[in-house]
Amino acid sequence: DTAVSQTPKYLVTQMGNDKSIKCEQNLGHDTMYWYKQDSKKFLKIMFSYNNKELIINETVPNRFSPKSPDKAHLNLHINSLELGDSAVYFCASSPHHGAGATNEQFFGPGTRLTVL
Amino acid sequence: SQQGEEDPQALSIQEGENATMNCSYKTSINNLQWYRQNSGRGLVHLILIRSNEREKHSGRLRVTLDTSKKSSSLLITASRAADTASYFCAAVGQGAQKLVFGQGTRLTINP
Repeated sequence: DTAVSQTPKYLVTQMGNDKSIKCEQNLGHDTMYWYKQDSKKFLKIMFSYNNKELIINETVPNRFSPKSPDKAHLNLHINSLELGDSAVYFCASSPHHGAGATNEQFFGPGTRLTVL
Repeated sequence: SQQGEEDPQALSIQEGENATMNCSYKTSINNLQWYRQNSGRGLVHLILIRSNEREKHSGRLRVTLDTSKKSSSLLITASRAADTASYFCAAVGQGAQKLVFGQGTRLTINP
């Protein structure tokens, strides 16, 4: 009965490769997010989708492309991976998206991406 | 710009003691949230305090908010070894649609 799940948990790949991370939530939430946490634990939002519609795109390189086939899924595809992409990527969801984003967010377990 | 900034960056105390972490932010907020992250895990929401609230409690947690100083504090009373984790504040700016996290406080509870 996992609320927010991500696959894979670990991803080790070579520079220049293309990879995808998948996220699914079974909470019935309308809004989903992708965050990047760097080695210093700084957590920064990358994207936000509400009912499959892109709401937030935070100056992320266009090598990163999110895709939301339905409101329960938000996948992240990364092209031409670079060393600086190494980080932990977290998916999250919240009940709905409105002014002020007052709802708590539920986080997945994270995907640790290592680019060699 | 980064909203939440935690202080101290690391805190180590004995089990049973109280732990206090502080958070400062830069602009007007709609609300401020605190999250816990255990090592190698995702973040877990602890408590949300709205801009018109000054104090909120949840079990052993007490959060205060001072909008005049643009600061918040999280107090964990009677700490336990299981409280060992990183704690993050996240601010939601007025009219904003996202959480902006600080770098967190790493709390270690020694048995």
